[in-house]
Amino acid sequence: GENVGLHLPTLSVQEGDNSIINCAYSNSASDYFIWYKQESGKGPQFIIDIRSNMDKRQGQRVTVLLNKTVKHLSLQIAATQPGDSAVYFCAENGGGSNYKLTFGKGTLLTVNP
Amino acid sequence: GAVVSQHPSRVICKSGTSVKIECRSLDFQATTMFWYRQFPKQSLMLMATSNEGSKATYEQGVEKDKFLINHASLTLSTLTVTSAHPEDSSFYICSAGTGGTGYTFGSGTRLTVV
Repeated sequence: GENVGLHLPTLSVQEGDNSIINCAYSNSASDYFIWYKQESGKGPQFIIDIRSNMDKRQGQRVTVLLNKTVKHLSLQIAATQPGDSAVYFCAENGGGSNYKLTFGKGTLLTVNP
Repeated sequence: GAVVSQHPSRVICKSGTSVKIECRSLDFQATTMFWYRQFPKQSLMLMATSNEGSKATYEQGVEKDKFLINHASLTLSTLTVTSAHPEDSSFYICSAGTGGTGYTFGSGTRLTVV
């Protein structure tokens, strides 16, 4: 079936640098996307979301970009901190009345002090 | 904000026994809850969608007789792993729909079958 995937399984950055985590999706009907952060042994934590009628949304230190033409989603984290170290997942809502989320593979972000 | 409580956080059981995991929405009513399974270093895989007052909808490949889901109230859904085996050892996570496209996740349950 269709799924959401990620280009990079691991990403290592220096503290203070900006991080970019990418995600490719294949379901053109998806109209809602969410980025989650998951720390070891915990459930996913909401970071930021975006609807398909937008191409950019900003939060505190985070920005999500959506390119529907190439079905690509990215999460940018500004001034990355050690506390940002975690696995990051993108998830898509399949659209319409189907509210279940499909998760991407995940990217492990490691922030070096 | 919306809070989902999942219990227990960790459980160890003997092979062949059954284990029940609870997922509660503490400050809101959830007509829909979702159950995921996550193996180490892998993504969350949706197992089933639980709707209050009706039968759960299982994803392809998930055995409904093995993973029993009950959503008897608007604040509680349970997942029972029946006749558990070591291969069922995993991290189980629930989430509740908070209306529209909102979701809140529980903290997960680490199941170890010995």
